[in-house]
Amino acid sequence: DTVLTQSPALTVSPGERVSISCRASEGVNSYIHWYQQKPGQQPKLLIYKTSNLASGVPARFSGSGSGTDFTLTIDPVEADDTATYFCQQSWNDPTFGGGTKLELK
Amino acid sequence: EVQLQESGPGLVKPSQSLSLTCSVTGYSITSDYWGWIRQFPGNKMEWMGYMSYSGSTAYNPSLKSRISFTRDTSKNQFFLHLNSVTTEDTATYSCARRPIGSSGFDSWGQGVMVTVSS
Repeated sequence: DTVLTQSPALTVSPGERVSISCRASEGVNSYIHWYQQKPGQQPKLLIYKTSNLASGVPARFSGSGSGTDFTLTIDPVEADDTATYFCQQSWNDPTFGGGTKLELK
Repeated sequence: EVQLQESGPGLVKPSQSLSLTCSVTGYSITSDYWGWIRQFPGNKMEWMGYMSYSGSTAYNPSLKSRISFTRDTSKNQFFLHLNSVTTEDTATYSCARRPIGSSGFDSWGQGVMVTVSS
């Protein structure tokens, strides 16, 4: 299995820029996708294939990376962005990261 | 707008089989890919498999001996069957669409919580 590792939690202030990382145990050739999940809700696709913004997602969200290291950036962060963010790879049999819980001060 | 809705029993006994239905409206399951994903208590997510627009399937190797997908195109539904469940299969089960060319799951059902317990 391709293991995706994310930091468990981050705390930022509204208006700041935040970067959420995802490290793969092997190369995934840009096939990394990012989801936002709010409590009691289903995951929402934000970014697909590293840097493509999903339909209806604000341009405050962006993605970057290559090889084994990928980043989701939110700039600026808003109060409504409080959520858990998951990365997922589909270069091999799909796997998900453990999620990064984003909290706002 | 595509909408997905899971349905099935909320409680299954150990060693029994679990069957869930994903009903899709607003889009044909004979297009794109359709997956099942489960989320365990504590939020870990696991991809269970895909069914393609043609009906071909791909399963998570860790589940391959216990899992199968079928579909009814006349009702625009696809189904998950998981055999020999244990308490470790307790999770929220979701169906989702994966558009061709995207690789991300862009539409999800609301999920159904399944508890495996005697």
